[in-house]
Amino acid sequence: DQQVKQNSPSLSVQEGRISILNCDYTNSMFDYFLWYKKYPAEGPTFLISISSIKDKNEDGRFTVFLNKSAKHLSLHIVPSQPGDSAVYFCASGTSGSRLTFGEGTQLTVNP
Amino acid sequence: EAEVAQSPRYKITEKSQAVAFWCDPISGHATLYWYRQILGQGPELLVQFQDESVVDDSQLPKDRFSAERLKGVDSTLKIQPAELGDSAMYLCASSFFQGNTEAFFGQGTRLTVV
Repeated sequence: DQQVKQNSPSLSVQEGRISILNCDYTNSMFDYFLWYKKYPAEGPTFLISISSIKDKNEDGRFTVFLNKSAKHLSLHIVPSQPGDSAVYFCASGTSGSRLTFGEGTQLTVNP
Repeated sequence: EAEVAQSPRYKITEKSQAVAFWCDPISGHATLYWYRQILGQGPELLVQFQDESVVDDSQLPKDRFSAERLKGVDSTLKIQPAELGDSAMYLCASSFFQGNTEAFFGQGTRLTVV
């Protein structure tokens, strides 16, 4: 039972444009959501998070949107830079419980 | 900047052999996690410690995997005997609080079982 799904295994965008990465979850009890970025041969790096009491959280070029009714969250990167090329994982969970990760989306930003 | 330290970075072992991984979390982080990431999938939690106590090992294959954090600081994950399907990246992470705060990951140990 895949409770967190990232349906796009890959995404390619031009430098300077917007990157939108999507994530869907099935467990309505999830109340905390995170995005991690992973470069090859490195561990995931925390990027941004959002709790279920909010529908938007912004940090510089990164914005996460949460649509609880649709059980959907997205990560927007504006403007995209070549250094953003990495695998992006969304993760979800409830207070005090394990995080469940999606399969990841490979983002490629072309110069 | 504080980091989660893991060793070794890479390990090749023959099936049926024993293998061990070590993790030193960020100083002061009470919660330590071991994840396994198979290529093309997201990390999957194997075991979570709060100080020296296991709080979640429901996904740990206990017939061959064991984990300990004896003094509540560094931790060891062991596989005995290793199987071909254990080939994966083993990631250690730590966080200051238990629960939903961001966890900081180490660089991982890439295990190849031949």
